[in-house]
Amino acid sequence: EVQLLQSGEGLVQPGGSLRLSCTASGFTFSNYDMTWVRQAPGKGLEWVSGITVIGGNTYYADSVKGRFTISRDNSKNTLYLHMNSLRAEDTALYYCAKRSTYSTGWFNSDYWGRGTLVTVSS
Amino acid sequence: DIVMTQTPLSLSVTPGQPASISCKSSQSLLYSDGKTYIFWYLQKPGQPPQLLIYEVSNRISGVPDRFGGSGSGTDFTLQISRVEAEDVGIYYCMQGLKLPITFGQGTRLEIK
Repeated sequence: EVQLLQSGEGLVQPGGSLRLSCTASGFTFSNYDMTWVRQAPGKGLEWVSGITVIGGNTYYADSVKGRFTISRDNSKNTLYLHMNSLRAEDTALYYCAKRSTYSTGWFNSDYWGRGTLVTVSS
Repeated sequence: DIVMTQTPLSLSVTPGQPASISCKSSQSLLYSDGKTYIFWYLQKPGQPPQLLIYEVSNRISGVPDRFGGSGSGTDFTLQISRVEAEDVGIYYCMQGLKLPITFGQGTRLEIK
């Protein structure tokens, strides 16, 4: 059974940093692109970042570029999101997700974690 | 960025009746490989999104056949032939043609 176990939830002050983790099981983690999608309270879905298998290429939404870093440790089956210079508008539930086996479209995802709440407030 | 516009934003449907959600993209989602990279997700209350349909009309394994997708180019539709209580939630279309991937605003489906 595919599982994505998320951790790193927290309350942080504006300008602070936080690291989110997403530990995968039930599939060969190193074979799949992975992505982060966030959802502000009561709002819709916003893609944040993605990392590919081939080349480990990383991609970011303009809203987080230069502040967030996505990475993966295939030996630990874990995906990370390092978040720096956090702003109030980064407050959201952050989901990690696995690239689906159905389509080659960018970062379409068939399995999602339960989400990690990040609150940026003084 | 490709803008995805969904209508309506909310829908109230009697069980057993059909429902339809429209999604329009600001540019064609047809790629040179002949595939059209639009996807439909359902986010049930308190849950992460779940993938329902990929590339316009292909249902994910386990998705009931009352769900169907159609469309081409920039205009797409998700149809539910007979709504059931378990279909409650927010439906999102998403384009996977170009980065950044973008989602529609979401359509909330409620049961009357």
